[in-house]
Amino acid sequence: GQQLNQSPQSMFIQEGEDVSMNCTSSSIFNTWLWYKQDPGEGPVLLIALYKAGELTSNGRLTAQFGITRKDSFLNISASIPSDVGIYFCAGQATGTASKLTFGTGTRLQVTL
Amino acid sequence: ETGVTQSPTHLIKTRGQQVTLRCSSQSGHNTVSWYQQALGQGPQFIFQYYREEENGRGNFPPRFSGLQFPNYSSELNVNALELDDSALYLCASSLGPDNQPQHFGDGTRLSIL
Repeated sequence: GQQLNQSPQSMFIQEGEDVSMNCTSSSIFNTWLWYKQDPGEGPVLLIALYKAGELTSNGRLTAQFGITRKDSFLNISASIPSDVGIYFCAGQATGTASKLTFGTGTRLQVTL
Repeated sequence: ETGVTQSPTHLIKTRGQQVTLRCSSQSGHNTVSWYQQALGQGPQFIFQYYREEENGRGNFPPRFSGLQFPNYSSELNVNALELDDSALYLCASSLGPDNQPQHFGDGTRLSIL
């Protein structure tokens, strides 16, 4: 099945550093969502974006809906150890039963 | 507020068998979507249920089927299990079928021997 391209695939950073990751698609989406998944658990919704160009924050997390509607970005400021996990982007298009098309994931590891 | 709950958490089956997975939606959510997540990959959409009917389907064969009940809970049934069906099966619920954020349960880990 289709998966969106996420980069980087994985990253090791030090506590306190800022993190950036992005997600690109060949298709247009009307909604972009970012999820975090910890081992043995389901994805947890972090941020939802509904308009092209929209910039939304949730604590130390900031995400943007790309102007072309084919990409999205997630930034994490001042990373902490509990930020460790896999981050997935997901796109949602109108008229597709709201199915989510997920990215390939970015695995984040934070060192002290 | 009760979140999405799935049962069982783990299941082991053999090829050719049938399996039923269960999902209770988050309070107030009337739409349930099912996803398959293979190891190391993002979830793949199987199908969605709204008003007790299938409301969209991904690229999965007919041996994957489902049900939604009047209380919005849902079942995923898989017949004639194959080795490639080994995966984490995730259920997500939402306030409606259109453009609503989906909230996931912790999944059922299905292993096929």
